[in-house]
Amino acid sequence: NAGVTQTPKFQVLKTGQSMTLQCAQDMNHEYMSWYRQDPGMGLRLIHYSVGAGITDQGEVPNGYNVSRSTTEDFPLRLLSAAPSQTSVYFCASRSGLAGAYEQYFGPGTRLTVT
Amino acid sequence: KQEVTQIPAALSVPEGENLVLNCSFTDSAIYNLQWFRQDPGKGLTSLLLIQSSQREQTSGRLNASLDKSSGRSTLYIAASQPGDSATYLCAITDSWGKLQFGAGTQVVVTP
Repeated sequence: NAGVTQTPKFQVLKTGQSMTLQCAQDMNHEYMSWYRQDPGMGLRLIHYSVGAGITDQGEVPNGYNVSRSTTEDFPLRLLSAAPSQTSVYFCASRSGLAGAYEQYFGPGTRLTVT
Repeated sequence: KQEVTQIPAALSVPEGENLVLNCSFTDSAIYNLQWFRQDPGKGLTSLLLIQSSQREQTSGRLNASLDKSSGRSTLYIAASQPGDSATYLCAITDSWGKLQFGAGTQVVVTP
């Protein structure tokens, strides 16, 4: 199993540009989520999905969109990049919906917005 | 709102000493608590998962305890090695299934 994969690893955007961060998992996990990690603030939840076709907002959803058309993929879209979105983005998945199971994380995407 | 705190933010110990990392949380209504390790520029690796009904979990040199009533968890790493140098994060899974993270403790083990 590849686990959770993310592309790209690094990205530089100009303010106002849009892009999609890709996330895929091959463990048939129902629950997938996106986090951002900023220095001194830990990881914060952006959006999550409990299954194909079902998504919901987390703690910091503004400026981001998600969709879940398949169990495997959960892309994160930045609509109009801003310098405040400079961060490291992590995708995660777990098998259970109720929270009793271990979360698996991807290697992250380091995004810089100039 | 659940608050998760890790103190200290950074820790340096000589090789061979035991490491003690602390995590506290404000709301005891949790599903579980998970400890992660993060190496610089890398993703998170799960170390231990403690269910809310458990008091502790062990894996090799690692032992994690959970005291829900006092809102605390402690991660013990016995006989530390330079390879244990990393940032350690704790995270609570709340009753909605969402993870809430502490800011982490950066550990340096000196040879």
